[in-house]
Amino acid sequence: QQPVQSPQAVILREGEDAVINCSSSKALYSVHWYRQKHGEAPVFLMILLKGGEQKGHEKISASFNEKKQQSSLYLTASQLSYSGTYFCGTECNNAGNMLTFGGGTRLMVKP
Amino acid sequence: DTAVSQTPKYLVTQMGNDKSIKCEQNLGHDTMYWYKQDSKKFLKIMFSYNNKELIINETVPNRFSPKSPDKAHLNLHINSLELGDSAVYFCASSHTNTEAFFGQGTRLTVV
Repeated sequence: QQPVQSPQAVILREGEDAVINCSSSKALYSVHWYRQKHGEAPVFLMILLKGGEQKGHEKISASFNEKKQQSSLYLTASQLSYSGTYFCGTECNNAGNMLTFGGGTRLMVKP
Repeated sequence: DTAVSQTPKYLVTQMGNDKSIKCEQNLGHDTMYWYKQDSKKFLKIMFSYNNKELIINETVPNRFSPKSPDKAHLNLHINSLELGDSAVYFCASSHTNTEAFFGQGTRLTVV
């Protein structure tokens, strides 16, 4: 079952913050976040496995709510290099063989 | 060393033809995937395969078939190509419930 991402697109000025949300109608086993730049393959950012978990990667962090049905990606003090399309990927069980992606959020950071 | 490699990178072919895209991973991963990314950038899972199980997205036409000669390879065969098959196809691999690594993508154009 495909997760739902919002917003579909965001335009920021350098230094501004953004939040991207990913939600599911049922509890998830894990949530992945990826970034894809134009003409390139998606690149892994982070994975969350536990309810209530928060993870950070420089100025990009993510949370996974207690019920494990919703995750958010936080981009703080955005840089030009953050531009791209962000995807959340979800797994519904621990079989690890059905990573399904949301529709993506296009992020553009302007000078 | 390329972790997940796909060939060819570009493929232009006529309607009705049969074609294959090859994928190899040298990461020792146990799960491999095929995704289709259309012009709207939606990443749709087509197949996942590990050494135990093939999972097929039921929306994928049976003209598409994965072939895995061994654990490091998952090739995609497409019969009777149609205009709507034009897209970028990504191969990916992962260990169970860990980050997925993507190949560079194969841009398929059906004319």
